[in-house]
Amino acid sequence: EPEVTQTPSHQVTQMGQEVILRCVPISNHLYFYWYRQILGQKVEFLVSFYNNEISEKSEIFDDQFSVERPDGSNFTLKIRSTKLEDSAMYFCASRNTTSSYEQYFGPGTRLTVT
Amino acid sequence: AQSVTQLDSQVPVFEEAPVELRCNYSSSVSVYLFWYVQYPNQGLQLLLKYLSGSTLVKGINGFEAEFNKSQTSFHLRKPSVHISDTAEYFCAVRSAGTASKLTFGTGTRLQVTL
Repeated sequence: EPEVTQTPSHQVTQMGQEVILRCVPISNHLYFYWYRQILGQKVEFLVSFYNNEISEKSEIFDDQFSVERPDGSNFTLKIRSTKLEDSAMYFCASRNTTSSYEQYFGPGTRLTVT
Repeated sequence: AQSVTQLDSQVPVFEEAPVELRCNYSSSVSVYLFWYVQYPNQGLQLLLKYLSGSTLVKGINGFEAEFNKSQTSFHLRKPSVHISDTAEYFCAVRSAGTASKLTFGTGTRLQVTL
């Protein structure tokens, strides 16, 4: 069964450094998402992406964040200058069409900012 | 704006006993409702969803949920749990409009013991 994959599974970085989290959505999916979950808190929406542009973003998704689909398979989340409070589990998700409401989630990348 | 409340952060239960995990939502528009399960060190897996039609929906692993519009609830149930059901369960809501982001509850940790 096709699945969403994410790399790395765990990323440790120093405050102020740039990080790129990578996701490979399911191949025929058209809608892509990033969510994050700070330890002990709820899963929060960050951004959605369709047709090579951001379709919706949350207040969390400020100028420090960006997303890109550099080729036909990868979907990346970049944090330009990480802060301690960016430490969280980051989940990528994808969805097929407008008539499909199910989002398929990847296993997540745990980002630790020191 | 929409929100989800999962009142129980933890639910301990003995194997083969029934369980109900509670979820209440608020939204000013029609919604779609979801339950996701997260096993340790894994991503979010869809258990079941309510889009329209019958208010009782059945999902994987013997779980079911009932949509109650008047009480704005979508409680998850299983008549007989197994040790392998030990996991974190998240209720999520999506508005029926164009926005496709999911809004999650804080999660309920189901702990099944012998």
